[in-house]
Amino acid sequence: NAGVTQTPKFQVLKTGQSMTLQCAQDMNHEYMSWYRQDPGMGLRLIHYSVGAGITDQGEVPNGYNVSRSTTEDFPLRLLSAAPSQTSVYFCASSPIAVPYEQYFGPGTRLTVT
Amino acid sequence: AQSVTQLGSHVSVSEGALVLLRCNYSSSVPPYLFWYVQYPNQGLQLLLKYTTGATLVKGINGFEAEFKKSETSFHLTKPSAHMSDAAEYFCAVSGYNQGGKLIFGQGTELSVKP
Repeated sequence: NAGVTQTPKFQVLKTGQSMTLQCAQDMNHEYMSWYRQDPGMGLRLIHYSVGAGITDQGEVPNGYNVSRSTTEDFPLRLLSAAPSQTSVYFCASSPIAVPYEQYFGPGTRLTVT
Repeated sequence: AQSVTQLGSHVSVSEGALVLLRCNYSSSVPPYLFWYVQYPNQGLQLLLKYTTGATLVKGINGFEAEFKKSETSFHLTKPSAHMSDAAEYFCAVSGYNQGGKLIFGQGTELSVKP
C-alpha cells in the first residue's frame, strides 16, 4: 500500500493563480481531511469529507474548495491564490471505525508570491 | 468547543535525560487525545493515543502519556532521550462525536544535545 500520497511536493504560485493539490489514498478510508501547517500554529483543519459526495468546512475554509467524487481522491482547489495561503498542506485519511486515527500524507509546500 | 495548549514551543534536553512535553486541553465532550511526531520535511506519525480505559498509554519509541481528567492534561514523557527523538511533537484532541476532526496544539520542537 502506498498509503496517503500528495502531489506536488513543492509549488510556487503567483498571486491570483489557481491550482489543485492532489491527495489520494489506497486504504479504502471513508474519512479524508486537509490541514494547513503554519509556524507556531500547529495544524488547522481546512475541509474534510466523511465519504464520497459529502464534504464540510473545517476551521479555516476560506479561499479553498474541495470535492469528493471517489473514495480514493480528495483534491484541494485554490481558486485565486493569496500570499496568506503560503503554507505546508497535509492530507489525511482514516477509517470509519476509528475516524480519529488519521494517516497523514507527506505534505505539499506551497509558496505564493 | 475543543482546544489544545502545548506549553513551550521549544524544549531542549541532553541525551539520556527525561523528556517531558506538556499538553493541556479543553473539551465539552469526553476527549480522545493524541500525540503525533513530525520529523523534518515529513508528514505526521501517530505516537500514541488515549480513547477510553487505562489512563497511562504507551506508544512507539518508548514514549508514554497519562490522561489526567482533573488536570485536563495529557503530558508526553520518555525516561531517556535519544538523539533520534529530535523532532516536532503535536498534541491533538478529538471526541467520539467529532467525525474524526482533530484539533492540534501549536507544537513543541524537541532538541536533544549530545
